[in-house]
Amino acid sequence: EVQLLESGGGLVQPGGSLRLSCAASGFTFSSYAMSWVRQAPGKGLEWVSSVIASGHTVQYADSVRDRFTISRDNSKNTLYLQMNSLRVEDTAVYYCAKDHYDYVRGWFDPWGQGTLVTVSS
Amino acid sequence: DIVMTQSPDSLAVSLGERATINCKSSQSVLYTSDNKNYLAWYQQKPGQPPKLLISWASTRESGVPDRFSGSGSGTDFTLTISSLQAEDLAVYYCQQYYSTPFAFGQGTKLEIK
Repeated sequence: EVQLLESGGGLVQPGGSLRLSCAASGFTFSSYAMSWVRQAPGKGLEWVSSVIASGHTVQYADSVRDRFTISRDNSKNTLYLQMNSLRVEDTAVYYCAKDHYDYVRGWFDPWGQGTLVTVSS
Repeated sequence: DIVMTQSPDSLAVSLGERATINCKSSQSVLYTSDNKNYLAWYQQKPGQPPKLLISWASTRESGVPDRFSGSGSGTDFTLTISSLQAEDLAVYYCQQYYSTPFAFGQGTKLEIK
C-alpha cells in the first residue's frame, strides 16, 4: 500500500523558515515524480511545486517561486519542501502527492494526510 | 495560466438522486496530439486529503464506484453521481494537468438534502 507521511509543520513567524518532509513507502519512490499541494484553512487546493523522479527538474507556482525549494532524497524515500521568507498567506495544510509517471504529469494520487503550517506573529 | 471554474459552489441532493457538477476551463485542455483531455476530478471528504476519482476527464480510477462518471471535452466538463449515497458527502474539485501551473476549480460542496 502506498503511504505518504508529511511532517515538519508548525507555527512560524512571518519571514521565518520551515522544512517539510514527506516519507514515502509502498512503492518505488525513485520512479515517480512528486508534488506539494496546499490548502488554506477552509479554502480550495493550490498546486505549489513538483519534482521529477530523478530530482533534476523542478517546477513552482509563481506564489512560491524564489522562496520555496523542492527536493528529494531517493536513497531515503523522502520528499522535502524548504520554505523561506514565509508569509501569512502561506498558512495552509501542505500535502505531498505522488504523480503517475517519472516526469511531472500533474495528476496526483495518492495524497498524504497533510501537515499544517501556520505563519503568524 | 488556465483558470478552472466550477458550478455550482454548493449542491444539495436527495439520497438516490442524481448530482451533476460542472467545470469550465479558461482554455482547452484537450491535447490534440493524443486526443486526451487533461482533466481530473477529486473528492475530499471532511478531515481527509483529496482522493483521485477520475483522470483523462472520463476514466474512473480503480475502486471508484461506477455511479461516478466524468464527461466533456475541450473546455466544458461534468462530474455526475448517478445515485447519491450518504458517503458521497464531500467537496469535489476538478483540476487541469494540461500545463503548469496546475490549477484546481474552487470546489463544489455536495450536501445531502
